[in-house]
Amino acid sequence: GESVGLHLPTLSVQEGDNSIINCAYSNSASDYFIWYKQESGKGPQFIIDIRSNMDKRQGQRVTVLLNKTVKHLSLQIAATQPGDSAVYFCAETLYGNKLVFGAGTILRVKS
Amino acid sequence: DAGVTQSPTHLIKTRGQQVTLRCSPKSGHDTVSWYQQALGQGPQFIFQYYEEEERQRGNFPDRFSGHQFPNYSSELNVNALLLGDSALYLCASRAGTGVNSPLHFGNGTRLTVT
Repeated sequence: GESVGLHLPTLSVQEGDNSIINCAYSNSASDYFIWYKQESGKGPQFIIDIRSNMDKRQGQRVTVLLNKTVKHLSLQIAATQPGDSAVYFCAETLYGNKLVFGAGTILRVKS
Repeated sequence: DAGVTQSPTHLIKTRGQQVTLRCSPKSGHDTVSWYQQALGQGPQFIFQYYEEEERQRGNFPDRFSGHQFPNYSSELNVNALLLGDSALYLCASRAGTGVNSPLHFGNGTRLTVT
């Protein structure tokens, strides 16, 4: 069935270090992927997206990598800051239909 | 520019009761989706509305129903509440349907069923 999973439920990093959050997706037909950040008491906040015809996309301090061969998605955060502490979700979709979310990775930034 | 707004923010209901949650999409958005997020889990798709019609539905029972109004705002109704319906209910919007663009989420309604 459709599912998006994450390899690491909790990731702890030192402030200033780079963070890498990984995600495995199961639907090889998915054509659009999104990373969301969710802080306590808030809804998911869009971080970055990537279409299936790309393998890398960069934003401000964030980079998403897509490996369709092994159905793997990753989010890289450069110079991680305390404000980056949150739960991160990857999500996949096909033709702009429903988003399928993973369970999430907790990112803890140590000062 | 207001983002997606939801009301109420918190709600406590008793098992068997009915509840209505409300959502106003982000300005310029006409497609509204609803998601249920249980504690410690990712959001699960309930349904999507576009042009006042339900366009897609996730694996939720008929107790979950919705509506979209001409101004694109939406309601989620849940009948015969169960303890397991306790969750954060998220509304999300985008412009158009069948397009690959990010969903913008509200901060949700926390529903507790006792």
